[in-house]
This record gives sequence, C-alpha cells and structure tokens, in this order.
Amino acid sequence: GQQLNQSPQSMFIQEGEDVSMNCTSSSIFNTWLWYKQDPGEGPVLLIALYKAGELTSNGRLTAQFGITRKDSFLNISASIPSDVGIYFCAGSNTGNQFYFGTGTSLTVIP
Amino acid sequence: DAGVTQSPTHLIKTRGQHVTLRCSPISGHKSVSWYQQVLGQGPQFIFQYYEKEERGRGNFPDRFSARQFPNYSSELNVNALLLGDSALYLCASSLTLIAPQETQYFGPGTRLLVL
Repeated sequence: GQQLNQSPQSMFIQEGEDVSMNCTSSSIFNTWLWYKQDPGEGPVLLIALYKAGELTSNGRLTAQFGITRKDSFLNISASIPSDVGIYFCAGSNTGNQFYFGTGTSLTVIP
Repeated sequence: DAGVTQSPTHLIKTRGQHVTLRCSPISGHKSVSWYQQVLGQGPQFIFQYYEKEERGRGNFPDRFSARQFPNYSSELNVNALLLGDSALYLCASSLTLIAPQETQYFGPGTRLLVL
C-alpha cells in the first residue's frame, strides 16, 4: 500500500526548542491527520485538517494543509519531555482509507 | 465516554493457527477500520466496515477477513498465520464515511506474536 514520506525520520532536540516536521505524498488528499504514538499504544489524534491552506492549532501544536494538497506540516513550539514519541501523518482522499507516513521519532533532551 | 476498545491486548500463536481479534468502536460511531502496524513502520490499512458492509480493502491476502456486527463492533480474522503476521493490529473508529470531514480514532491495539 501507499506510504507517505515523512521527514525528518528522527529528531533529537533540547527541551524548549521548536520542532518542525513534514509529510509529502504523490497523491492529492482531501484530509490530513496528525497522530502521536507512544511505544506499545495506539496512535492518538492531534490535529485534523480538511481544507487546502488551512492552518490549525492545538495548544503548542500547529499544523498546515499544503496548498498543493500533497503535503502537510506539523510544528511543535517550546518542546517539553512529554512530547517524546513517534509522530505520524495520515492522508485520505476518499474517507474510506487513510495512508500513513513513515513516522518521525522525536526525542527531547531535558 | 469510553474510547475504542480492543481485545485481547496480547496474543501468541504458532504458524498455521487462526486468530480472531475484536474491536468495539466509540459509542455512536458506525465505521470501523483495521490496520496492521509492523514494528518501525506506519499503520497499513486492511479493511474498513460501515453499517456492517465492507467499504474498503487494502492490499492483504484472503487469509485476512473481517466482519461488523449490528452493534457496530467488529472482528478481524486471520487464517494460516505466518511469522510475518506478527504486528500490532489497530482498530480505528469513525462516525461516518462522509469525506472529507472524516476523522479516525484508534484503540490501543492487539499485539500479535506468531512463533
């Protein structure tokens, strides 16, 4: 199945720094979702995007739906230790099936 | 309100055996999707069910099957297990199938180990 390309693959940052990650696809999507997954658990929804160009925030997290509809971006401001985890993007153009990215592993150093 | 629940949490099987995984969606949600997540990768779509009918199928062999019950809970069945079926199996619940406003919420997953 199709997988979206996420970058970077992993990040090691100092507590308090800002984080940026992105996700690209060869296909156009109508919906972009961002999830965070802790080891051994299911992904937890962070932000949902439904319109090209849309910018949505959830606390320290901000995500954008790319104008081309083939990409999306997630920013985390002022990172804290509990931000550690794997971040996945997911895209859909039908509502029936979501394609997931390869994941970005985030480590926050206190 | 309870979120998506899955059972069992962990399971160990041997090659050739059959396994049944169960999922209960969020109350009021009518759609259930199943995903397979191999260690180190993102989830891969297996099936989606809505109103007890299959509405989507990923690139998985016929050994994988699923069904949805009148109460919207769902089962995923895998026959003739292979070592490569070892993975975290995730169930996702959504209210409807109306794109593009659809959002999926995941359960904690069932970790399957095939020996």
